[in-house]
Amino acid sequence: DGGITQSPKYLFRKEGQNVTLSCEQNLNHDAMYWYRQDPGQGLRLIYYSQIVNDFQKGDIAEGYSVSREKKESFPLTVTSAQKNPTAFYLCASREGAGEGYGYTFGSGTRLTVV
Amino acid sequence: AQKVTQAQTEISVVEKEDVTLDCVYETRDTTYYLFWYKQPPSGELVFLIRRNSFDEQNEISGRYSWNFQKSTSSFNFTITASQVVDSAVYFCALHSGAGSYQLTFGKGTKLSVIP
Repeated sequence: DGGITQSPKYLFRKEGQNVTLSCEQNLNHDAMYWYRQDPGQGLRLIYYSQIVNDFQKGDIAEGYSVSREKKESFPLTVTSAQKNPTAFYLCASREGAGEGYGYTFGSGTRLTVV
Repeated sequence: AQKVTQAQTEISVVEKEDVTLDCVYETRDTTYYLFWYKQPPSGELVFLIRRNSFDEQNEISGRYSWNFQKSTSSFNFTITASQVVDSAVYFCALHSGAGSYQLTFGKGTKLSVIP
């Protein structure tokens, strides 16, 4: 079955460490997205990518970095510059960039700073 | 600019009660799409429905129904005879503008169905 796989499900980070969250899709979707979810804040866009080797900052990109070397993969690195990284991170993809295409979401990664 | 408002932060109902989740949107585009997603405790957002701005027919799917009213810019979601499995966070989202590559989400409504 096609879908989005995020790993790991839970991740613990020490202060000052960089960590990378994995997102893989086998839906052949062009666009991929990373969202951060905090209680009561809804979903906030971190980065998105419409095609391979191209990506754009979202609303809260500071302290994060991404790459899109393959269509199937869109990893997110949470750097030490992100001062409050504890959150739930969701990866999503869209079949196309035009209007009307909804998102398919992964099951998320819960990141905790220890 | 686009905006989605879900004024109800949390709702609690007793099982078998009906419940309506409100969604109000703002956009200047004449063509746009509205979505509802369900986020159960497991975390993954599950697609429920998509509606385009030219189709104002209400939709029913089992116990779920959606009321789209352009006159009030609302796209409300009703669950009839609620069940414990309906307990989740529900998000309303908007996609508008031919050049836009992202959905605009509301902040979500947490629904708790009490047995």
